[in-house]
Amino acid sequence: AQTVTQSQPEMSVQEAETVTLSCTYDTSESDYYLFWYKQPPSRQMILVIRQEAYKQQNATENRFSVNFQKAAKSFSLKISDSQLGDAAMYFCACPMNYGGATNKLIFGTGTLLAVQP
Amino acid sequence: DTEVTQTPKHLVMGMTNKKSLKCEQHMGHRAMYWYKQKAKKPPELMFVYSYEKLSINESVPSRFSPECPNSSLLNLHLHALQPEDSALYLCASSQKPGAVTNEKLFFGSGTQLSVL
Repeated sequence: AQTVTQSQPEMSVQEAETVTLSCTYDTSESDYYLFWYKQPPSRQMILVIRQEAYKQQNATENRFSVNFQKAAKSFSLKISDSQLGDAAMYFCACPMNYGGATNKLIFGTGTLLAVQP
Repeated sequence: DTEVTQTPKHLVMGMTNKKSLKCEQHMGHRAMYWYKQKAKKPPELMFVYSYEKLSINESVPSRFSPECPNSSLLNLHLHALQPEDSALYLCASSQKPGAVTNEKLFFGSGTQLSVL
């Protein structure tokens, strides 16, 4: 079965510090992206970063970066210089083949990140 | 315009009511999605429309009836709901159907539904 696992239900970080959120996945897709989405109290899901599985280089978007270990099927998110606005639920997501050319996105269980001033 | 707009933001309905949720995007996206999200849980896919045709129905009860009248608009018609259907309903869109392996989903802010 194709799964996405986030083993940390809650995390806390001090403002300006660095935090890493973990994610492991399993997919039968051969060419795919992995995604981290953020859901703040406004409830809107916002894409934080995505990583193409065929790229060796880890993706970076400003203070957000990933550590992608394809063999281990691990895709962690590092947030540097944490800010109060980073407080949110973070979901890791991975595509799953639904049948034929149709795919759907599977979300992990989420990690609730608190940022302490 | 990179927004997905959902209305209403909040909805309270009785089990005998009929109501509709609306979702709109003007990005030219040809895939639109309905997700259901319970508190502190990940979104669960309900329906996918590709080129205005229903392509995925995740065995959703018939009391939920989706409709895609045109490429910009997605509705979810609700009838005879149960209290356990209370949840946040999220709409999303993406540029190309079937390409969620590499495409970003754009989400709306959701409709918080309470069924009494």
